[in-house]
Amino acid sequence: AQTVTQSQPEMSVQEAETVTLSCTYDTSESDYYLFWYKQPPSRQMILVIRQEAYKQQNATENRFSVNFQKAAKSFSLKISDSQLGDAAMYFCAYRTISGGGADGLTFGKGTHLIIQP
Amino acid sequence: DTAVSQTPKYLVTQMGNDKSIKCEQNLGHDTMYWYKQDSKKFLKIMFSYNNKELIINETVPNRFSPKSPDKAHLNLHINSLELGDSAVYFCASSYIEGYNEQFFGPGTRLTVL
Repeated sequence: AQTVTQSQPEMSVQEAETVTLSCTYDTSESDYYLFWYKQPPSRQMILVIRQEAYKQQNATENRFSVNFQKAAKSFSLKISDSQLGDAAMYFCAYRTISGGGADGLTFGKGTHLIIQP
Repeated sequence: DTAVSQTPKYLVTQMGNDKSIKCEQNLGHDTMYWYKQDSKKFLKIMFSYNNKELIINETVPNRFSPKSPDKAHLNLHINSLELGDSAVYFCASSYIEGYNEQFFGPGTRLTVL
């Protein structure tokens, strides 16, 4: 079974600065999807960014980018120019491609991101 | 337009009761899921349904039963509620193919007294 580890329970960053959230995972599969979800205090789960394992190029979405290191099984999220609205829980998630595609996501335990004004 | 909706958003009940949480999606997705988020914010998959067929069923007590009348709805029935069932339950939906980005509902906070 796959596991996802987020080693930083909490991170704090000054507004406008850059922060990197760590995520590692364990799998024996060669192809899979990785995601970062954001959960603000409203508790709504919001997709931030996604990465296909077969793509070497790191995904980017505006101020959000990932550093995907497949051999190291690492998938970190970088947030540039942090804004107050970025304050939330951030979850790293893994989805297998095998099994017909209806598998659920395997989540890490989350990182609580605090933005200091 | 609400993509994935859940009712109710809050549910407070006594131990031993039976309750249901409803989920509806208007995205045309063919697969729906239920996740449980515990008090430490840990999210875990409970069930998924594809074309009204149960695809996965993790180690969830059989007091929990998903029911899907059609591919736009996946309801969660819980019998004989226990204190440990207190959590936030999220419904999600996606297409079975491709990226399979899952869209989540707003969650239902269940409190068992």
